[in-house]
Amino acid sequence: GQQLNQSPQSMFIQEGEDVSMNCTSSSIFNTWLWYKQDPGEGPVLLIALYKAGELTSNGRLTAQFGITRKDSFLNISASIPSDVGIYFCAGQRTGTASKLTFGTGTRLQVTL
Amino acid sequence: NAGVTQTPKFQVLKTGQSMTLQCAQDMNHNSMYWYRQDPGMGLRLIYYSASEGTTDKGEVPNGYNVSRLNKREFSLRLESAAPSQTSVYFCASSEVVGETQYFGPGTRLLVL
Repeated sequence: GQQLNQSPQSMFIQEGEDVSMNCTSSSIFNTWLWYKQDPGEGPVLLIALYKAGELTSNGRLTAQFGITRKDSFLNISASIPSDVGIYFCAGQRTGTASKLTFGTGTRLQVTL
Repeated sequence: NAGVTQTPKFQVLKTGQSMTLQCAQDMNHNSMYWYRQDPGMGLRLIYYSASEGTTDKGEVPNGYNVSRLNKREFSLRLESAAPSQTSVYFCASSEVVGETQYFGPGTRLLVL
């Protein structure tokens, strides 16, 4: 089955730095979602995007739904230690019912 | 309000053994899902239940069966475990199909 291409695979950054990650697909999605997974936990929804070009913020997080509907971006500003975790994008198409297609994840490490 | 709960948290099985993973949600959601997560890959849908009384195959259903016991509970059964089924299994629920999915903490399964 299809997996979304997510990059980078991992990042090591210093506290206070900004972070950018992206997700690309060969096909169109109608909804883009960004999840964060802490060690030993299930994914938690951070941001949901429903419209091409949409830019949505949630605190220090900002995500964008690409104009082509084949990509999405997540930015984290002024990173802090609790940002550590794995970030997953997920796409959903209208008419495919429940099916979320997940990216391969970006593992974020924050050093003091 | 516990959200989505899963039992057990960890399990070790021998090849050929059977077991059932349990999932329950207390959010009165109609739809429930089972995913597996493998290293370097995103979550992949095994089975889902759009509503009580219905179940459908996801992306990777082979080797698994499910039961939607009632609106709250959705179980995943491995009839004859194989090493390839070593993974972390996540249950999720949503109000209806296509709405935001909320994930449980996961069950870590090792098949020897």
